[in-house]
Amino acid sequence: GAVVSQHPSWVICKSGTSVKIECRSLDFQATTMFWYRQFPKQSLMLMATSNEGSKATYEQGVEKDKFLINHASLTLSTLTVTSAHPEDSSFYICSARSPGDNTGELFFGEGSRLTVL
Amino acid sequence: GENVEQHPSTLSVQEGDSAVIKCTYSDSASNYFPWYKQELGKRPQLIIDIRSNVGEKKDQRIAVTLNKTAKHFSLHITETQPEDSAVYFCAASMGNYGQNFVFGPGTRLSVLP
Repeated sequence: GAVVSQHPSWVICKSGTSVKIECRSLDFQATTMFWYRQFPKQSLMLMATSNEGSKATYEQGVEKDKFLINHASLTLSTLTVTSAHPEDSSFYICSARSPGDNTGELFFGEGSRLTVL
Repeated sequence: GENVEQHPSTLSVQEGDSAVIKCTYSDSASNYFPWYKQELGKRPQLIIDIRSNVGEKKDQRIAVTLNKTAKHFSLHITETQPEDSAVYFCAASMGNYGQNFVFGPGTRLSVLP
């Protein structure tokens, strides 16, 4: 299957700072990537859909100015948590579909665990 | 929009027994229903999926059934093993590309030795 990789896998930052998380499709080009947030013992909640070369589409209730998404190339999408606060601590996971794969399967990155002190 | 419910939220079974997890969805336009397994701190992994033109699909110890009329689908794991212990998520989606998945809340399965 297709490979999606995230970096960093673990990050700790001070309150008020910004953190950037990268999501890469390693063996395919992804015009669309999805960013999810997962709190402990909860489900995957879609935050936004990242579109290559255009603005991201945010889900209701997700602040676009706080969670900046950039999809500048067909293999890289970045999520920047700006002015992070402890309540932003969560597991952030990206995903993508492979255009050449007609199954519809969603491939996930390893996830990035953010802890804001 | 689509709403996916999942039951039970936690499930404990003895090793060797079967486990069944059920999901319901609200949007009749959904036509793709995957099941993901997520171990603690790791990425979700697809274990089986089914499309709306199929009623049942099986892959070794794992099977999924779909009832389009009732809008529900179920995951069946037979001969459970300790390594099956994980959180399982169902999802519903429309179309192959550009359509978001809506995930269920998850079921934490514990297989007791």
